[in-house]
Amino acid sequence: DVKVTQSSRYLVKRTGEKVFLECVQDMDHENMFWYRQDPGLGLRLIYFSYDVKMKEKGDIPEGYSVSREKKERFSLILESASTNQTSMYLCASSLRPRTGPLHFGNGTRLTVT
Amino acid sequence: GESVGLHLPTLSVQEGDNSIINCAYSNSASDYFIWYKQESGKGPQFIIDIRSNMDKRQGQRVTVLLNKTVKHLSLQIAATQPGDSAVYFCAENKWTGRRALTFGSGTRLQVQP
Repeated sequence: DVKVTQSSRYLVKRTGEKVFLECVQDMDHENMFWYRQDPGLGLRLIYFSYDVKMKEKGDIPEGYSVSREKKERFSLILESASTNQTSMYLCASSLRPRTGPLHFGNGTRLTVT
Repeated sequence: GESVGLHLPTLSVQEGDNSIINCAYSNSASDYFIWYKQESGKGPQFIIDIRSNMDKRQGQRVTVLLNKTVKHLSLQIAATQPGDSAVYFCAENKWTGRRALTFGSGTRLQVQP
């Protein structure tokens, strides 16, 4: 069965901290994605990666960076956390980037105080 | 559990009735569409997809209809059950050189016993 695992279910960080959100998939998928989910706004794409060491900006990349050193792992980095980055963060992977379903993890709820 | 969205449109149906959830998409060039279901505290789960060369596709108890003329997508759930209560998202592949899906803001389905 498809498995996307996000390392933390809940995180609380202080403003200005550097934050790492980790995601691992066990399906040998080429493509991985980070979305954030906010009430009334649905899912918005932050970054995605279609290969190891490759990345592309999504709709809202400001304040974020990513790392893809291994195929199975995709990390989202908040260089200096701010309160407006309090959100639910969802990682996903897919076999094909353009068609075919994304498989999501259960999310990391990040609160920045 | 986690609240996915506090300001979502809500559809309330009786158990056993059929449900229809609607979605308007924005780009006439989109050629692939997906419906996801998100239960409280979980990541979105793939339900069904459809390509733009089709008008209708059926799954188990679910049917997706695509009307390209008015850029409208709908998800029909037959004999709605309490376990169908969730937030439902449509997503489109807006192929503008980007290799990722764009999600709508979601509809909450509440099934009354």
